[in-house]
Amino acid sequence: DVKVTQSSRYLVKRTGEKVFLECVQDMDHENMFWYRQDPGLGLRLIYFSYDVKMKEKGDIPEGYSVSREKKERFSLILESASTNQTSMYLCASSLRGWENSPLHFGNGTRLTVT
Amino acid sequence: KQEVTQIPAALSVPEGENLVLNCSFTDSAIYNLQWFRQDPGKGLTSLLLIQSSQREQTSGRLNASLDKSSGRSTLYIAASQPGDSATYLCAGGVISNFGNEKLTFGTGTRLTIIP
Repeated sequence: DVKVTQSSRYLVKRTGEKVFLECVQDMDHENMFWYRQDPGLGLRLIYFSYDVKMKEKGDIPEGYSVSREKKERFSLILESASTNQTSMYLCASSLRGWENSPLHFGNGTRLTVT
Repeated sequence: KQEVTQIPAALSVPEGENLVLNCSFTDSAIYNLQWFRQDPGKGLTSLLLIQSSQREQTSGRLNASLDKSSGRSTLYIAASQPGDSATYLCAGGVISNFGNEKLTFGTGTRLTIIP
């Protein structure tokens, strides 16, 4: 069974702090994604990566950056956290050529920025 | 740009009934349609994936259909149980202008099964 693990379930940070959200998958998936989920807005794609050291902007990349130094690990970085980044953050992974490969999600990190 | 809509936002159904959840999408160049379940405070769990060349997929009491021409997908749940209570999300996959695979999500239908 595919496992996507996010390092923290709950996180509370102060405005201006640098925040790291970590995600690890154990199934050798090429594709990894970071979404945020907000009531009424659904899931919105922040960044994604199709290979090591590769990254592509999603729909809402402003205020975020990512790092993928190893295939199994995809990190989301909030350079200077702001209150409007309070949200549920979800990491996901899938195989490349994913017409028949479903997306597998972690359990999410609920981030509160005060 | 792909847009995915799920109506209604919430649905309550007595236990034992069959029910249908709806999903509409705007880009008919969809290459797969995925249905997920999300329990409160948790991540999403993949339920069914329908490839663009397929019309439906089944898993246990769940059946998902895809009609690309009308831009619709449905998730049918037979003999509903209280454990089916969750939020159900659909997502349409397309290939972006840059050749990347991209999934767009609906905002979900919150399903409550009344015992």
